[in-house]
Amino acid sequence: AQTVTQSQPEMSVQEAETVTLSCTYDTSESDYYLFWYKQPPSRQMILVIRQEAYKQQNATENRFSVNFQKAAKSFSLKISDSQLGDAAMYFCAYRSPQNAGNMLTFGGGTRLMVKP
Amino acid sequence: NAGVTQTPKFQVLKTGQSMTLQCAQDMNHEYMSWYRQDPGMGLRLIHYSVGAGITDQGEVPNGYNVSRSTTEDFPLRLLSAAPSQTSVYFCASSYFGGGTEAFFGQGTRLTVV
Repeated sequence: AQTVTQSQPEMSVQEAETVTLSCTYDTSESDYYLFWYKQPPSRQMILVIRQEAYKQQNATENRFSVNFQKAAKSFSLKISDSQLGDAAMYFCAYRSPQNAGNMLTFGGGTRLMVKP
Repeated sequence: NAGVTQTPKFQVLKTGQSMTLQCAQDMNHEYMSWYRQDPGMGLRLIHYSVGAGITDQGEVPNGYNVSRSTTEDFPLRLLSAAPSQTSVYFCASSYFGGGTEAFFGQGTRLTVV
């Protein structure tokens, strides 16, 4: 079974600065998908960015980008020009294409605080 | 377009009581699933369904039942609530395909006293 580890329970960043959230995973598969989800205080789970393992190019969505290191099984999220609205829990998640139900395996989460 | 709707948003139960958490999606997604969120443990899969009439267990299924009689609805039943089931519960749905986005409901905060 796959496991996902987020080693930083809490992080803080100054507004307008850049912060990187770490995620590592354990798998024996060569084809899989990785996701970052944001959970603001409203509890709503919001997809931030996704990466397909067979694509070498790192995914980017506006101020959010990933550093995907397949050999190291690392998938970190970089948030540039941090905004107060970025304050939230962030979850890294893994999905295997072999799973029957599109299930996600989540890390424990990182709480990001943004200081004005 | 409502997406994934969960009810109720909050619930307090006494130990031993039963209840059903409702989940409905209007996106015609084949896949639906239930997760529970506990501090420091992320979200863990309880049960999932790949289509109407087909369900299977996830990582933490004990104490929960599901059924899927229609594509739209996927209720989660707590048979006899225990304090260990105090958690936030999320329903999610998605289309077939590994890279597709999972859409989540707004969650149900359940407290068992």
